Amino acid sequence: DAGVIQSPRHEVTEMGQEVTLRCKPISGHNSLFWYRQTMMRGLELLIYFNNNVPIDDSGMPEDRFSAKMPNASFSTLKIQPSEPRDSAVYFCASSPRTGTRGYTFGSGTRLTVV
Amino acid sequence: AQSVTQPDIHITVSEGASLELRCNYSYGATPYLFWYVQSPGQGLQLLLKYFSGDTLVQGIKGFEAEFKRSQSSFNLRKPSVHWSDAAEYFCAVGAGSMNTGFQKLVFGTGTRLLVSP
Repeated sequence: DAGVIQSPRHEVTEMGQEVTLRCKPISGHNSLFWYRQTMMRGLELLIYFNNNVPIDDSGMPEDRFSAKMPNASFSTLKIQPSEPRDSAVYFCASSPRTGTRGYTFGSGTRLTVV
Repeated sequence: AQSVTQPDIHITVSEGASLELRCNYSYGATPYLFWYVQSPGQGLQLLLKYFSGDTLVQGIKGFEAEFKRSQSSFNLRKPSVHWSDAAEYFCAVGAGSMNTGFQKLVFGTGTRLLVSP
């Protein structure tokens, strides 16, 4: 099992540019989560999907953020336009069924917006 | 709302000494509780979890945790710390949805463990 795969591992972009983060969950896991980690705010849940359907996006900070899950094996988190305050580590996690057994996290994408 | 408190921002323990990391949760129903560990530059790895039954749960890497409902606590312990245990540790509670039965994890702010020689 390859685990949850995120790409890229690091992203440096200029303010105003569009950024797309990618995630491939573990095969057979039908719940997917996007988290953001910063020193100031810790781990924040941005959005989660169940069976490719967004269940709760109340953690998405602004309209500049959007997430999609077109199929069971792929999800994207897009920021457009990006701002310096978006700099953080973004984690994707997946779990089987309803998430009651804990999540498996990817290694994260470190985003720096200059 | 569900919440998790980890009162210690960082803890330093000598190698070979015992460890206890504190976690208190706030949740109205029977909680699902988790401990994760994060090494620098890495994602979070699940150490152990509690759903029901025996209140003392065993995890990987020699860690254990005890659920105490009366104290709303789920403290993580290890009898003898190794230098490789230096990392950040996160406690989390599974917050369920009445409508979907779905659990999302609410994390504490983490405790950074430093291990001295």
